[in-house]
Amino acid sequence: ETGVTQTPRHLVMGMTNKKSLKCEQHLGHNAMYWYKQSAKKPLELMFVYNFKEQTENNSVPSRFSPECPNSSHLFLHLHTLQPEDSALYLCASSRGVSYTEAFFGQGTRLTVV
Amino acid sequence: QKEVEQNSGPLSVPEGAIASLNCTYSDRGSQSFFWYRQYSGKSPELIMFIYSNGDKEDGRFTAQLNKASQYVSLLIRDSQPSDSATYLCAVNVPGGKLIFGQGTELSVKP
Repeated sequence: ETGVTQTPRHLVMGMTNKKSLKCEQHLGHNAMYWYKQSAKKPLELMFVYNFKEQTENNSVPSRFSPECPNSSHLFLHLHTLQPEDSALYLCASSRGVSYTEAFFGQGTRLTVV
Repeated sequence: QKEVEQNSGPLSVPEGAIASLNCTYSDRGSQSFFWYRQYSGKSPELIMFIYSNGDKEDGRFTAQLNKASQYVSLLIRDSQPSDSATYLCAVNVPGGKLIFGQGTELSVKP
């Protein structure tokens, strides 16, 4: 248990569906991250939030829409995804965006059909 | 050039041996370095971090950092079959992004 909780753990959605991934951290951290992990590829940084403000959008398609209502919660809203978006989506948090270690949630395994 | 590079392996070592995992990074301004372990189907788990040149030891694990050579390594002594996993090197680059290498798959044979 890392103190970072993601829901759901597994999600199957059609290309026309809208769904959301949720992440909650109980560590008192100020920075939160979304990463995508596809098979045989490195973790890809998607978004960074620091004190609720988005500080990084790593050229992510607009069909992925993040939301950070407070420092403890992070969402990833999904709509009109493609099969190639199927991957493990990981949320992480850290005390700050620099020099501090990040802790990951268990991930959401997303399958787009 | 990739920002963080690792040999993807697989690296196979016998039980009880020392496993040596290597990582290079491209941004000289990077200040903090991390090793994560990821079991198949699980999320990455932080096992070591290092900020200063030299060695840092924690149990069977030793992280080594050489900023002049832009090189960071992880040694696992007395390797156990339970150490079999993918080891991810991560670098905090200027601007606050935590960038990962592709990971090295380690297999410890009994």
